Amino acid sequence: AQKITQTQPGMFVQEKEAVTLDCTYDTSDQSYGLFWYKQPSSGEMIFLIYQGSYDEQNATEGRYSLNFQKARKSANLVISASQLGDSAMYFCAMREARTGGSYIPTFGRGTSLIVHP
Amino acid sequence: KAGVTQTPRYLIKTRGQQVTLSCSPISGHRSVSWYQQTPGQGLQFLFEYFSETQRNKGNFPGRFSGRQFSNSRSEMNVSTLELGDSALYLCASSVTGSDEQFFGPGTRLTVL
Repeated sequence: AQKITQTQPGMFVQEKEAVTLDCTYDTSDQSYGLFWYKQPSSGEMIFLIYQGSYDEQNATEGRYSLNFQKARKSANLVISASQLGDSAMYFCAMREARTGGSYIPTFGRGTSLIVHP
Repeated sequence: KAGVTQTPRYLIKTRGQQVTLSCSPISGHRSVSWYQQTPGQGLQFLFEYFSETQRNKGNFPGRFSGRQFSNSRSEMNVSTLELGDSALYLCASSVTGSDEQFFGPGTRLTVL
């Protein structure tokens, strides 16, 4: 079964508008972390935002916020005031604990976001 | 502070050859993870090294191996290359492995 599901292969948004990228996850762990990364066409993965499973408040980083709904196992990324430079692939990832204090991350298949002028 | 660097950025090899990719983490980071990214399989975890020890391994054949040096620099090696090994190989470093990972620009490997 998919541990991370991103149901939107592609999204389009008008510049300056807000957009929500969906992510649902599957885990039986109580302690886990959720991440969002941006990958421009250059290939480098850029960390955007992190939400811990015990964090009570939704994470925010500038124009990025994570809408964390634990009971629904969803961790949607909201980008406010979209900019042309936001056009990229966006990946949702989950980090689950493993023995020895290490972690293995799992990534979703990604959502391609295109921002129109 | 310099970011994660990967060399080379591009590689072309033929089937049956072997290849070594290099990753230099951010100074002070002791954890280095490697990922393979392909259009078909997406981003898949290869392995993680921490303080010169492999701490985690993904579901890849033994042809994929790696190591980490005392300065935290890491190399991954792929032997007996197959066409399906063509991919973008990404390296990421973090302080402990449980925190935020910073990715390098990747090495794009093409196997002919």
